[in-house]
Amino acid sequence: AQKVTQAQTEISVVEKEDVTLDCVYETRDTTYYLFWYKQPPSGELVFLIRRNSFDEQNEISGRYSWNFQKSTSSFNFTITASQVVDSAVYFCALSEAQGNTPLVFGKGTRLSVIA
Amino acid sequence: GAGVSQSPSNKVTEKGKDVELRCDPISGHTALYWYRQSLGQGLEFLIYFQGNSAPDKSGLPSDRFSAERTGGSVSTLTIQRTQQEDSAVYLCASSPDRGRNEQYFGPGTRLTVT
Repeated sequence: AQKVTQAQTEISVVEKEDVTLDCVYETRDTTYYLFWYKQPPSGELVFLIRRNSFDEQNEISGRYSWNFQKSTSSFNFTITASQVVDSAVYFCALSEAQGNTPLVFGKGTRLSVIA
Repeated sequence: GAGVSQSPSNKVTEKGKDVELRCDPISGHTALYWYRQSLGQGLEFLIYFQGNSAPDKSGLPSDRFSAERTGGSVSTLTIQRTQQEDSAVYLCASSPDRGRNEQYFGPGTRLTVT
């Protein structure tokens, strides 16, 4: 069975600090997708990134970066120089890599960035 | 372009009544998903449509829950004889048929059963 664990329930940082959100997953599939979503106070889930299991290259997009480590089954998300607008609940998710399949979500990490 | 839309945004109903929740996916997206988000359970998958058929209904919690999709577009989630534990935010997502499984979510319907 697939499982996603986000051990950090809540994190609070001061603006401009860097913050890393942890995600550990379990799956028996040899190929799979990993995702991060952001849920701001407005409530709508916003897609941030999809990573294929056979591509372990780290990715950077502006202030966001993702570190995929297959050896430790982790897909961590770092926000550099955090801003108040980054305050949200962040969800890590996992799916099979066989076309369109349901996502298995972690419980989420609530990030509060204080000015 | 337009994103996923859901209606109503909020629904308050009395225990025992039936409710219908609607989802309009992004135009051209062939896959459609329903999830439920509640405080205790997090985000749970309910049902998935590919076109008008539902290959995976494994997440529906009971036979009081059903869903359909018509014309490969709009989907309706129906909950019969609502119970207080059905109170949650019901989220719909759609995905293009490109095999990348990127799911784009609507704003959700907040259901409160009194």
